[in-house]
Amino acid sequence: DAGITQSPRYKITETGRQVTLMCHQTWSHSYMFWYRQDLGHGLRLIYYSAAADITDKGEVPDGYVVSRSKTENFPLTLESATRSQTSVYFCASSESHWGDEQFFGPGTRLTVL
Amino acid sequence: TQLLEQSPQFLSIQEGENLTVYCNSSSVFSSLQWYRQEPGEGPVLLVTVVTGGEVKKLKRLTFQFGDARKDSSLHITAAQPGDTGLYLCAGIRGGKLIFGQGTELSVKP
Repeated sequence: DAGITQSPRYKITETGRQVTLMCHQTWSHSYMFWYRQDLGHGLRLIYYSAAADITDKGEVPDGYVVSRSKTENFPLTLESATRSQTSVYFCASSESHWGDEQFFGPGTRLTVL
Repeated sequence: TQLLEQSPQFLSIQEGENLTVYCNSSSVFSSLQWYRQEPGEGPVLLVTVVTGGEVKKLKRLTFQFGDARKDSSLHITAAQPGDTGLYLCAGIRGGKLIFGQGTELSVKP
């Protein structure tokens, strides 16, 4: 499918477990982003990537790890999940820089018990 | 403290009414974007405003960027149930896109 996809769409895990959220885009966009969305906070940037093998921290990176070995994929890993990481996670991509339109995936709803 | 403050946070109106959503900051932004998000989906870009004082219209939606580029507003004329959703403003500052906390709009038939 063309566009940006996320998997899984829903995930329930337990405290302390490692979980990886997947993001795939078919446009060959340079920039990719991970956000979390919590009530009252809007979208907060976790990590972003300007190109393959280039990643950088956003506003709330603690407890998360990212990698980008291929342009089209940008997985987000929670190394040891905590209840405070219960949230809806959105992946996005944009063509060339921050001022471009960001295209968002459908989101992954993660619950940490 | 949010760098971009949106107000109101919640708005419930009847079909046909007009409304305005505000996005305010004490900081200057090089540009501001407005996104709309429906339940279970990711945000979708509505408009980008770049120049201070700029006004853009998208059918019944009017977007304005403040002269000092610190604030923006979204005005909807004759709201319809299809306008229901979460409206987010976002500004570029320090090389990153910063989002407001959003305005949840409900338009009842």
